[in-house]
Amino acid sequence: SYVLTQPPSVSVAPGKTAMITCGGNNIGSNSVHWYQQKPGQAPVVVIYYDSDRPSGIPERFSGSNSGNTATLTISRVEAGDEADYYCQVWDTSTHRGVFGGGTKLTVL
Amino acid sequence: QLQLQESGPGLVKPSETLSLTCTVSGGSISSNDYYWGWIRQPPGKGLEWIGSIFYSGNTYYNPSLKSRVTIFVDTSKNQFSLRLSSVTATDTAVYYCARYRISWYGGWFDPWGQGTLVTVSS
Repeated sequence: SYVLTQPPSVSVAPGKTAMITCGGNNIGSNSVHWYQQKPGQAPVVVIYYDSDRPSGIPERFSGSNSGNTATLTISRVEAGDEADYYCQVWDTSTHRGVFGGGTKLTVL
Repeated sequence: QLQLQESGPGLVKPSETLSLTCTVSGGSISSNDYYWGWIRQPPGKGLEWIGSIFYSGNTYYNPSLKSRVTIFVDTSKNQFSLRLSSVTATDTAVYYCARYRISWYGGWFDPWGQGTLVTVSS
């Protein structure tokens, strides 16, 4: 089965840049999507198709995907960005949804 | 604006069947562009995809749950439902329903329902 690996936690100071990685075998050949989940709330997509932002998501959120690693980048981090972030792909060979284990972003 | 709302019992006894329904409002479930999915999240843990269904009834299930899961759709009510049989404490989780955007390279889930906590306990 396809596995996505994320670091359990990332810490960043306000105003700095946070990078959250999502590793998977040849993940660059898949579309990767990213979700933000704040405590007690449902996940919200912040990046889809590797690097597209839904309307209402700040330009500070960006994504990239190549080789075996996809990356969510949050520039000029704010306190309100503190949340859990999950990457997700659809394994087209087995028709399965796959989520990474999640990364807790802490704003120092 | 499309909205999804989960409903069902918040407490299920071990060995019994968990049943949840997701009601879709603000749009039709009978769309060729979307599947409809269930995702769960045990307390303090990550997200787990359970399965997805097309309005025609075509389904995909997580292999780890496939023997216990049934997802079905009622287009007349704009609803889809989840049944998970023979539950144990490890099935305790917040259960979310979500719309899945079909894409050749793999789609994403948006929007999500608010989620409903189901506790398995006697």
